[in-house]
Amino acid sequence: EIVLTQSPATLSLSPGERATLSCRASQSVSNFLAWYQQKPGQTPRLLMYNASNRATGFPARFSGSGSGTDFTLTISSLEPEDFAIYYCQQRYDSWTFGQGTKVEIK
Amino acid sequence: EVQLLESGGVLVQPGGSLRLSCAASGFTFGNCGMTWVRQAPGKGLEWVSAISAGGERTYYADSVKGRFTISRDNSKNTLYLQMNSLSAEDTALYYCAKELSFRGPLDSWGQGTLVTVSS
Repeated sequence: EIVLTQSPATLSLSPGERATLSCRASQSVSNFLAWYQQKPGQTPRLLMYNASNRATGFPARFSGSGSGTDFTLTISSLEPEDFAIYYCQQRYDSWTFGQGTKVEIK
Repeated sequence: EVQLLESGGVLVQPGGSLRLSCAASGFTFGNCGMTWVRQAPGKGLEWVSAISAGGERTYYADSVKGRFTISRDNSKNTLYLQMNSLSAEDTALYYCAKELSFRGPLDSWGQGTLVTVSS
């Protein structure tokens, strides 16, 4: 089973700051890596797929990078609506989610 | 507009059984792989099971293998999850989700149905 490890568990930042979230896979997942955003009480929402393709409805301040085992989700300048939990997920071999990174207001 | 509507979640006793349903609309259901993902209260997302577009291939997380069965009826645009031998560890909000493409991400999610296993 491929394990995804996200870091940090919690990121405390202020609006306007840059957020950098990491997702590391226990073995290569090529670029079959997606990111989801979940706000409190809401359904998860696809944010990024194939590591670097932004899903419909998300602005350009969100970007994804990486391949193989190391992936990064970057939010260039945090807006109030971006404070949420972010999960990575691989689809290279079966399905696995990371444990999530909470981006909270500092 | 894609819509996924789960139902069937209830309070059930340990050892009991339950069948969840997910009614799909707004897309060609028979062309899409489907999955079940669960989220225990205050916890992260856990993939549970998946099924290919035609229903020929099914996949399960180790935590539910042998107890849960995924199926689909493409004539009714409905996905199912039969859950047997339930335990407290199965308590969660169960989401159905649609795959964008083969080995693709989950691009649409339902609102979830809550399963509570307790005596």
